[in-house]
Amino acid sequence: RKEVEQDPGPFNVPEGATVAFNCTYSNSASQSFFWYRQDCRKEPKLLMSVYSSGNEDGRFTAQLNRASQYISLLIRDSKLSDSATYLCVVNRPGSARQLTFGSGTQLTVLP
Amino acid sequence: GAVVSQHPSRVICKSGTSVKIECRSLDFQATTMFWYRQFPKQSLMLMATSNEGSKATYEQGVEKDKFLINHASLTLSTLTVTSAHPEDSSFYICSARSGGARGEKLFFGSGTQLSVL
Repeated sequence: RKEVEQDPGPFNVPEGATVAFNCTYSNSASQSFFWYRQDCRKEPKLLMSVYSSGNEDGRFTAQLNRASQYISLLIRDSKLSDSATYLCVVNRPGSARQLTFGSGTQLTVLP
Repeated sequence: GAVVSQHPSRVICKSGTSVKIECRSLDFQATTMFWYRQFPKQSLMLMATSNEGSKATYEQGVEKDKFLINHASLTLSTLTVTSAHPEDSSFYICSARSGGARGEKLFFGSGTQLSVL
């Protein structure tokens, strides 16, 4: 089983749509969770951290379910500029500094 | 602006040659830097953790004699791909974690696309 597993997509949605991405992680000892976005052949950029209580940043909402080892990202009112690959990222237990990346979910927002 | 600078952004080389990639933290000191590799449509895979003043820690399956890491200063880590082969063609990316005034944040370099002919 992969340490971090995501649906690779692609997700093709019209502008203004709401889209949700899911992610599962295998190690219950993981403590830190993030969503990054990556544009083609560019470095990943932190979108948001994910907290146990769930958190929201504008059009983006992240949720964490520790019991199910499940993380989600919801994007509302999607924009063309949201087109990217979204990476679910989990810290390696025992190391706050080492991160394990999911393979990413590709999103294309269509005009 | 960028706080982690990575060079070169793209390199094309012949099989058998060595390629050096630099990762530099611009306005903070990084005792630890990380090197990742990403093949097309795949996730970033941690190759090694670079520690200033000591040996790098390599992930399982990564040949330390092939991927030489040097972290000689608090702002510079280098990855040298020795005797590169076509299967080493990949996107290599470094990251560094800053502390202090910036808090604990992870910054990535812009990546290096290596193509071995």
